[in-house]
Amino acid sequence: GESVGLHLPTLSVQEGDNSIINCAYSNSASDYFIWYKQESGKGPQFIIDIRSNMDKRQGQRVTVLLNKTVKHLSLQIAATQPGDSAVYFCAENMEYGNKLVFGAGTILRVKS
Amino acid sequence: EAGVTQSPTHLIKTRGQQVTLRCSPISGHTSVYWYQQALGLGLQFLLWYDEGEERNRGNFPPRFSGRQFPNYSSELNVNALELEDSALYLCASSSGVSLGTEAFFGQGTRLTVV
Repeated sequence: GESVGLHLPTLSVQEGDNSIINCAYSNSASDYFIWYKQESGKGPQFIIDIRSNMDKRQGQRVTVLLNKTVKHLSLQIAATQPGDSAVYFCAENMEYGNKLVFGAGTILRVKS
Repeated sequence: EAGVTQSPTHLIKTRGQQVTLRCSPISGHTSVYWYQQALGLGLQFLLWYDEGEERNRGNFPPRFSGRQFPNYSSELNVNALELEDSALYLCASSSGVSLGTEAFFGQGTRLTVV
């Protein structure tokens, strides 16, 4: 179903620590997933994606993990920096609908 | 290469009025998506256009409508504005309907209904 409008949870981490942002997706038929970063006053920006035939994908300082059994997605950010402070959204894409359905989002605050 | 552009960036309207928001996709992209993001909340899917046709629609009333032009640009129209329509309206484009095409977002139009 559609994502529900909810007030966003917040994750606070110390600069230099690793961050883990979690997302539960809704449709077991979804086969493509994307993480977006949205900074204040800007539109969402693509970070990393993963297809359902994979369970892990790594980028620069970011890793996405997919657990299809429990319909769970996570984004790991290594050595978190102040510039990582933003709202992070996961999105699932169902091929037949080609509609990106977004999770509620998580606010990441990095403390210096 | 220019990204997704939206206009206007900010808009103030009175309850009951009508508004038109515009989006120009990345060159070569045929799909345009519209999302509503109320302050402090997540993104809610509104509409998806591809090749000039509406392909999918979110759970919004009929007063939210739109269209896609032959050059793939798109308009979102909202009639009979209500206070709760105040939000950031985001447009995204992608290169087609095939799986694996991430959507690129514009900066959004901030609509305030008073």
